[in-house]
Amino acid sequence: QKEVEQNSGPLSVPEGAIASLNCTYSDRGSQSFFWYRQYSGKSPELIMFIYSNGDKEDGRFTAQLNKASQYVSLLIRDSQPSDSATYLCAVAPSNFNKFYFGSGTKLNVKP
Amino acid sequence: NAGVTQTPKFRILKIGQSMTLQCTQDMNHNYMYWYRQDPGMGLKLIYYSVGAGITDKGEVPNGYNVSRSTTEDFPLRLELAAPSQTSVYFCASSTISSPLHFGNGTRLTVT
Repeated sequence: QKEVEQNSGPLSVPEGAIASLNCTYSDRGSQSFFWYRQYSGKSPELIMFIYSNGDKEDGRFTAQLNKASQYVSLLIRDSQPSDSATYLCAVAPSNFNKFYFGSGTKLNVKP
Repeated sequence: NAGVTQTPKFRILKIGQSMTLQCTQDMNHNYMYWYRQDPGMGLKLIYYSVGAGITDKGEVPNGYNVSRSTTEDFPLRLELAAPSQTSVYFCASSTISSPLHFGNGTRLTVT
């Protein structure tokens, strides 16, 4: 069983603050890491992916990967109420034939 | 460009009935997947396919069957529906180097 662990939350942050979401995984063979956002009643949508150790930035979002610690995180800067959603972490092997998901962290951004 | 299309959007089944959830994609993706998502939980992989004629079990395959006769279509068959199969079902597709693209989901209730 490929384990992907996330804190279920809810994580509450005030508008304008930095939200930090964390994910750990058990399979050292995992090569690709993804963050999806899911609004209630909707399908997941891709926010970011990261393959290499270190940081990757895209607008207000930064993904951080540490393969030695089997840890991936997502930082959301200048959080907005529209960021309120569940954030799903997913991992995949190098050939992308399976994606395993964590149970998600619910984020509430308070105006 | 429609992406991944799932039908139906909603369905209510009685215990013991069977049905097929349809999924089609127009992106010429080789890889297709079926996930289920129970309330407040992440996505669990049911079955996946890496190409026409090739399917394999995921984390939770019991009670389901799939087929992949064409690149575009990946139907999911439920035989002898049980209340434990009440869930939201997502179909997704990808390539060997791209993240998952999700359909809008099918909400299934078994009573």
